[in-house]
Amino acid sequence: AQSVAQPEDQVNVAEGNPLTVKCTYSVSGNPYLFWYVQYPNRGLQFLLKYITGDNLVKGSYGFEAEFNKSQTSFHLKKPSALVSDSALYFCAVRGEDSSYKLIFGSGTRLLVRP
Amino acid sequence: DAGITQSPRYKITETGRQVTLMCHQTWSHSYMFWYRQDLGHGLRLIYYSAAADITDKGEVPDGYVVSRSKTENFPLTLESATRSQTSVYFCASSFRPGGGTGELFFGEGSRLTVL
Repeated sequence: AQSVAQPEDQVNVAEGNPLTVKCTYSVSGNPYLFWYVQYPNRGLQFLLKYITGDNLVKGSYGFEAEFNKSQTSFHLKKPSALVSDSALYFCAVRGEDSSYKLIFGSGTRLLVRP
Repeated sequence: DAGITQSPRYKITETGRQVTLMCHQTWSHSYMFWYRQDLGHGLRLIYYSAAADITDKGEVPDGYVVSRSKTENFPLTLESATRSQTSVYFCASSFRPGGGTGELFFGEGSRLTVL
């Protein structure tokens, strides 16, 4: 069955430094991969997705993600972190059936210190 | 553009009571979903619906009932609430098949506390 793992509960980074939030996945076919961000007391907001094509996907708010098929990873990155990027980040993979449901990782809390 | 709205945003109830969480979307999306969010578990799928009158179980359906008589509404009912159902519930919707690549659009969530 398909699954997603986010190995870090929390990532700490200084403002202005690059950040990486890790995600690995397991699917039997071609993966449809997503990143979402959640601010306190809010719903999840879509950041970016990988369907096919270039391994480097660009998304909202300056975020990008690198798809690596051999390592089954889809890490979220940003060249220069902002304090306002502090939030909860979720990686997700689309289900292998035709239901459009997403399977989410457990989430990684990003803390950007000034 | 209202998008997707959930009500109530906050609810406190007692064990054994029936509770209904409402979800309404204005995009005419075919697919709708209910997830619950708990610490350490991320988001887990409760039920989903491909269209009006078509629903299916997700990962954690026990204790929940859904219906979808109209495309825009997808209520979630807890028939007899238990403390383990204390959680934040999120409704989401997705594009019509063939009209998108499947990203979900989420409501703001309903925080339910069962005493």
